[in-house]
Amino acid sequence: NAGVTQTPKFQVLKTGQSMTLQCAQDMNHNSMYWYRQDPGMGLRLIYYSASEGTTDKGEVPNGYNVSRLNKREFSLRLESAAPSQTSVYFCASTLDNGNTIYFGEGSWLTVV
Amino acid sequence: DAKTTQPPSMDCAEGRAANLPCNHSTISGNEYVYWYRQIHSQGPQYIIHGLKNNETNEMASLIITEDRKSSTLILPHATLRDTAVYYCIVGSGGSYIPTFGRGTSLIVHP
Repeated sequence: NAGVTQTPKFQVLKTGQSMTLQCAQDMNHNSMYWYRQDPGMGLRLIYYSASEGTTDKGEVPNGYNVSRLNKREFSLRLESAAPSQTSVYFCASTLDNGNTIYFGEGSWLTVV
Repeated sequence: DAKTTQPPSMDCAEGRAANLPCNHSTISGNEYVYWYRQIHSQGPQYIIHGLKNNETNEMASLIITEDRKSSTLILPHATLRDTAVYYCIVGSGGSYIPTFGRGTSLIVHP
């Protein structure tokens, strides 16, 4: 099992460019999450998907969109990247809300 | 969901026990206490969880007070590789959204 896989691992964008962070899990989990982590900060929830076909905003959703393509995949899109979105992005999944959470290795995004 | 309070930083000598406290005074009866740790630049990793009884696994022990308002994660013999940020979170059930604060930065020194 690969667990939670994120791509790309590193990306540099220019202000205004768009990109999509991909996340896939092979554990048949129902719930998936996208967090961002800024230096010295905890993880802040951007969006989550409690089940296939549903998505909801988290604490910091502005500037992002998500798609729960199927049960395995949950992508995060930046339509017009801004320097404030420079961060490390973590995808996570869990069987159901309240169970153990499994994280990907992170995607380092720099917007210049 | 209940909120948690953790000290921002702690240190511990290698080989000694590291005791990391967490306050969750507003925890409700069906909420579990979960502990995760994040080693520099990696994704957080599950350590242990419990409801009311003390729990132990190969990584750590979890002591939950009788009133469930606080807990302590114990790393019995800390090593340099245990240097990490430790997060305590609580929650349960269908409406639970995992919320991570800043955690406790544990530094294990030689």
